[in-house]
Amino acid sequence: GESVGLHLPTLSVQEGDNSIINCAYSNSASDYFIWYKQESGKGPQFIIDIRSNMDKRQGQRVTVLLNKTVKHLSLQIAATQPGDSAVYFCAERRGGGADGLTFGKGTHLIIQP
Amino acid sequence: KAGVTQTPRYLIKTRGQQVTLSCSPISGHRSVSWYQQTPGQGLQFLFEYFSETQRNKGNFPGRFSGRQFSNSRSEMNVSTLELGDSALYLCASTRGGGYTEAFFGQGTRLTVV
Repeated sequence: GESVGLHLPTLSVQEGDNSIINCAYSNSASDYFIWYKQESGKGPQFIIDIRSNMDKRQGQRVTVLLNKTVKHLSLQIAATQPGDSAVYFCAERRGGGADGLTFGKGTHLIIQP
Repeated sequence: KAGVTQTPRYLIKTRGQQVTLSCSPISGHRSVSWYQQTPGQGLQFLFEYFSETQRNKGNFPGRFSGRQFSNSRSEMNVSTLELGDSALYLCASTRGGGYTEAFFGQGTRLTVV
């Protein structure tokens, strides 16, 4: 079926380096995408979102890139810190919002000292 | 501003029993969605309520049901519990528009024995 997926279950990066987490989606009707961070024992925390009429959106230390041609989404985290260690999920929504979010499987970001 | 509040945080139930989980959305948010999170299936959409009406439902059996009250608080019910229903149940609230971020609660950890 149609779903949003992530390329890597685990990503290990050095503290201070930039992290790039990738996600592929399959439904061209998806028009809204969100990245969430989930720490152990907590619910998903909103990081950044992007609509399909945009290619790039920046937040504080984070950038989301959307490539609709290849149905690819990425999250870039600048100067990765120990507090960034978590599982990151991409999620997509189709249509006007009544649909629930479809989540990818998640990437566990591990920060090496 | 208070976040999304889910109660209880933890529950242990026996197979065959039923359970009711509660979610209080962020003040002013009119849409509440429920998700099930398991290690094997990840985050899966259960249903979404807006102004006391269920607008969409995921691919779950009829044992899973929900409702929303006039103050936007929501409950979900699972009847005839099965071992496979053990999961983290997450509630998310949004203002209700199609392009607004969903904020999640801490979740209710349900264990069925």
